[in-house]
Amino acid sequence: GAGVSQSPRYKVAKRGQDVALRCDPISGHVSLFWYQQALGQGPEFLTYFQNEAQLDKSGLPSDRFFAERPEGSVSTLKIQRTQQEDSAVYLCASSLEGNYNSPLHFGNGTRLTVT
Amino acid sequence: LAKTTQPISMDSYEGQEVNITCSHNNIATNDYITWYQQFPSQGPRFIIQGYKTKVTNEVASLFIPADRKSSTLSLPRVSLSDTAVYYCLVGELEYGNKLVFGAGTILRVKS
Repeated sequence: GAGVSQSPRYKVAKRGQDVALRCDPISGHVSLFWYQQALGQGPEFLTYFQNEAQLDKSGLPSDRFFAERPEGSVSTLKIQRTQQEDSAVYLCASSLEGNYNSPLHFGNGTRLTVT
Repeated sequence: LAKTTQPISMDSYEGQEVNITCSHNNIATNDYITWYQQFPSQGPRFIIQGYKTKVTNEVASLFIPADRKSSTLSLPRVSLSDTAVYYCLVGELEYGNKLVFGAGTILRVKS
């Protein structure tokens, strides 16, 4: 079946622009996570949804970052007034239940480059 | 969340068995151990998970000693396509628990 789909695959933004990154999780998956991965580093947690509820946003680096999942399916990560330090790969993952019994399924990410 | 320590990189040759060890000295009673694999330009992929002793699936084995302060991912007869970054994660089996990734181990398989 279809996996987690993220779009766009690549995004180039000028500093100060707003961007929106989309994640289509696996159908029926309750939990959805966003991670940020800098070059040569492991993924870092940003935020977590259980259905439409955002239960943990402790990893969002600033108030310029905003995520939503209004209908408990597709999610959007928005970054306002992008800065160069926002350049990274943004990974979305979904899981059936959201605990260790239910492994995360990752998309291939959106590579954001801020110039 | 228990902190994990892995080697930064490892080299191997095709056909060899590769063992990657992860240290997690402060693992808690309810923590499970999970390994993910990541290829360039792809998201991480679940490999294997365990709590104690030995777990085996079609791609790998996971060995966990009685004290659970370390674990070893074993990849039998690696091929060039096993070149990737391997992450060891430790955490509780709870709903919504966020996975904490370290820097991982870069495995390079040579011909």
